[in-house]
Amino acid sequence: GQNIDQPTEMTATEGAIVQINCTYQTSGFNGLFWYQQHAGEAPTFLSYNVLDGLEEKGRFSSFLSRSKGYSYLLLKELQMKDSASYLCAVRFNNAGNMLTFGGGTRLMVKP
Amino acid sequence: EAQVTQNPRYLITVTGKKLTVTCSQNMNHEYMSWYRQDPGLGLRQIYYSMNVEVTDKGDVPEGYKVSRKEKRNFPLILESPSPNQTSLYFCASSLAGLNTGELFFGEGSRLTVL
Repeated sequence: GQNIDQPTEMTATEGAIVQINCTYQTSGFNGLFWYQQHAGEAPTFLSYNVLDGLEEKGRFSSFLSRSKGYSYLLLKELQMKDSASYLCAVRFNNAGNMLTFGGGTRLMVKP
Repeated sequence: EAQVTQNPRYLITVTGKKLTVTCSQNMNHEYMSWYRQDPGLGLRQIYYSMNVEVTDKGDVPEGYKVSRKEKRNFPLILESPSPNQTSLYFCASSLAGLNTGELFFGEGSRLTVL
């Protein structure tokens, strides 16, 4: 299968830094996406990585290592509004343009 | 405003009563897709479409049909709904091939089948 694994839940403190990891099967890899989803709402796009390295966007950064089948989303200066689920999704070129999503990581930010 | 619009947002129905969830996007996107989201299982793709008259099965197509007669619309049809199709459904669209990296989601349709 094309399993995508990420932790189910994480807790962090306001103002801190948190790293959410995602691992995936490397065969056929053709891009990795991170989405944020607040409870009861639609997912919204955060980042896209297709080459190795770090992509930075304000307080959020995403890292990719294609050889290791590994990515992480780094959230800095955590705010209460960052409490949400973070979804890792991978596009595999042997599955058309289908995005396969991980189960999501529910992040709780505490004061 | 660029958006993906789904209707209905909430629906309670009974087993076997055909229903259609509509999806429309105003961004001239070629790619459209339907997902269902269930606790513990994440988002799973039902069907997707690369362009008009082109549709393909995703991970969980059983019990669903789709059509793509116009670029902007991609309805999801449940011919004979069953309780295991109770779920939160999302329609999404993007430019062709997802190369831009951005998949736009509708607000979701929560369906309950009794």
